[in-house]
Amino acid sequence: DAGVIQSPRHEVTEMGQEVTLRCKPISGHDYLFWYRQTMMRGLELLIYFNNNVPIDDSGMPEDRFSAKMPNASFSTLKIQPSEPRDSAVYFCASSSTRYNNEQFFGPGTRLTVL
Amino acid sequence: RKEVEQDPGPFNVPEGATVAFNCTYSNSASQSFFWYRQDCRKEPKLLMSVYSSGNEDGRFTAQLNRASQYISLLIRDSKLSDSATYLCVVAGGYQKVTFGTGTKLQVIP
Repeated sequence: DAGVIQSPRHEVTEMGQEVTLRCKPISGHDYLFWYRQTMMRGLELLIYFNNNVPIDDSGMPEDRFSAKMPNASFSTLKIQPSEPRDSAVYFCASSSTRYNNEQFFGPGTRLTVL
Repeated sequence: RKEVEQDPGPFNVPEGATVAFNCTYSNSASQSFFWYRQDCRKEPKLLMSVYSSGNEDGRFTAQLNRASQYISLLIRDSKLSDSATYLCVVAGGYQKVTFGTGTKLQVIP
């Protein structure tokens, strides 16, 4: 298996622009997670899905952030409009209850908002 | 109080040394516990799960103390390749997990 795939790997944008991050989980995994990591706050859970349904979005910082999972093999995290404080590494992870709930992380998207 | 707390370090230890990290958690109803490792500019990867009875994997030993609400990771005979950030992870129901901010380990030749 290719593992969790994220795109783009790096994104540089200007304040006010829309940013869309993409994730393809490991095939067969029924959970998908979006995290944000910064030096100051560490790794924060933003939202997670079970069988494509959002379960907990309490970590989403504000209405500028939205996430969707239209099918089992694809999810997006959108920021609109982006702000400099959104600069961080965004990780997607997936897991399966059949495999001890171990979360497998993608390589991350490094976002810089100027 | 943070849900999961770790000493950020850094812990600078010589090769061959034994080093231990602790992590405390606030939710007594937490169900699952893990240690993840994260190399610089890379994604976190599972190092080991932590079981109530404690568990060992080679040079690594993890312990759970539910009464005091902490977990520990012991690394024996440290290698240069052990240099990384170690993340404590605590999970409640429905797969919701909380990561600690990590403890940085630097093994020195």
